[in-house]
Amino acid sequence: EADIYQTPRYLVIGTGKKITLECSQTMGHDKMYWYQQDPGMELHLIHYSYGVNSTEKGDLSSESTVSRIRTEHFPLTLESARPSHTSQYLCASSNPGNSPLHFGNGTRLTVT
Amino acid sequence: AQSVSQHNHHVILSEAASLELGCNYSYGGTVNLFWYVQYPGQHLQLLLKYFSGDPLVKGIKGFEAEFIKSKFSFNLRKPSVQWSDTAEYFCAVTSWAGANNLFFGTGTRLTVIP
Repeated sequence: EADIYQTPRYLVIGTGKKITLECSQTMGHDKMYWYQQDPGMELHLIHYSYGVNSTEKGDLSSESTVSRIRTEHFPLTLESARPSHTSQYLCASSNPGNSPLHFGNGTRLTVT
Repeated sequence: AQSVSQHNHHVILSEAASLELGCNYSYGGTVNLFWYVQYPGQHLQLLLKYFSGDPLVKGIKGFEAEFIKSKFSFNLRKPSVQWSDTAEYFCAVTSWAGANNLFFGTGTRLTVIP
């Protein structure tokens, strides 16, 4: 069972809405990540964090933003959702270095 | 930039058949290699990893993978698959020097027929 939790699991919203995808982990990991995954495609890193008050953009450009005010919490926000944001968003965390990632169950977002 | 190629998009096998899923990466330096598995309705989880040492690594549930540096490959194998192995399998690589990102392949969907 995952020690990293994402809510909601599924979300369908209209264009222009502001949304926040929640991600929390109970393992005390310093590093946290957001990946975006489309069907049949590889996972792409969109944001990561080394610790509190640290956020960086990943390889895939994204209009979303993240914050890291607490170690265990790494929410992702879209200020104005568009249909192009329809995707699955996976949150992950890890210990420092090249430790394996622990993934959440993901949030499947559909913007109509 | 690094990239990871998984050539098999969907593999269908009968139970007890042997499995080999291909994974090739493009990066000339030292790498760390991973296989992740996602069972239906579940989160991605680590199957096995290679950091250094013996290039043949063993993971959970009877899976193993062999790192062949000259071929830039890290193929996943299992001698005899079970119905419960039905899942999506992702190969991933990160450079030893830059641990900011784990580059994933597109995944291989394995369906095992009872």
